[in-house]
Amino acid sequence: GAVVSQHPSWVICKSGTSVKIECRSLDFQATTMFWYRQFPKQSLMLMATSNEGSKATYEQGVEKDKFLINHASLTLSTLTVTSAHPEDSSFYICSARVAVAGGLSQETQYFGPGTRLLVL
Amino acid sequence: AQKITQTQPGMFVQEKEAVTLDCTYDTSDQSYGLFWYKQPSSGEMIFLIYQGSYDEQNATEGRYSLNFQKARKSANLVISASQLGDSAMYFCAMRDLPYSGAGSYQLTFGKGTKLSVIP
Repeated sequence: GAVVSQHPSWVICKSGTSVKIECRSLDFQATTMFWYRQFPKQSLMLMATSNEGSKATYEQGVEKDKFLINHASLTLSTLTVTSAHPEDSSFYICSARVAVAGGLSQETQYFGPGTRLLVL
Repeated sequence: AQKITQTQPGMFVQEKEAVTLDCTYDTSDQSYGLFWYKQPSSGEMIFLIYQGSYDEQNATEGRYSLNFQKARKSANLVISASQLGDSAMYFCAMRDLPYSGAGSYQLTFGKGTKLSVIP
């Protein structure tokens, strides 16, 4: 199956610093990747949709200048949390859209293992 | 707008028994897809099963089957012969399937059900 990796899996940083999280599709090309945020015991909240070569589309309420997304290649998307604060502490998870020969009906998203961010 | 409702915050099942996790959805789209994902304590989201709105048969994948009742807008996940490793959070999700190929491809998730398998 399609494999998506994320790095780092854990990060602890001081308040005010920036943190970059990488999302890679290892065995396929992903034209579209998604970034989610998940608080403990809650569901996934979509933050933004990242399309290769174009600007990310952010969901309402998500600050573009705080959560910088770059999708420079078909296998890599990055999320940078700028000037992180304790309230940014969360589980960040990416997914990649996998297009298959069966057409749209067969598409699904495969998720990375997630990144736990703790801002002190 | 799409909405997914999972009414069971937590479920318990005896090992080797079957369990049904409920999922109802609301959408105005005629064509859509329904998904189930498993999230163990490690946090990764594992794709389990998919059902298209026009699929005539219920989807099955090993011990997982999806009880799709379109008129009731429900897409319940059935896990047969539960194993200890099945203990996890389970999320139901959906997205639209536009014929034109356009669309956001975004998934809308339910709040999840925590399944605990008892030895």
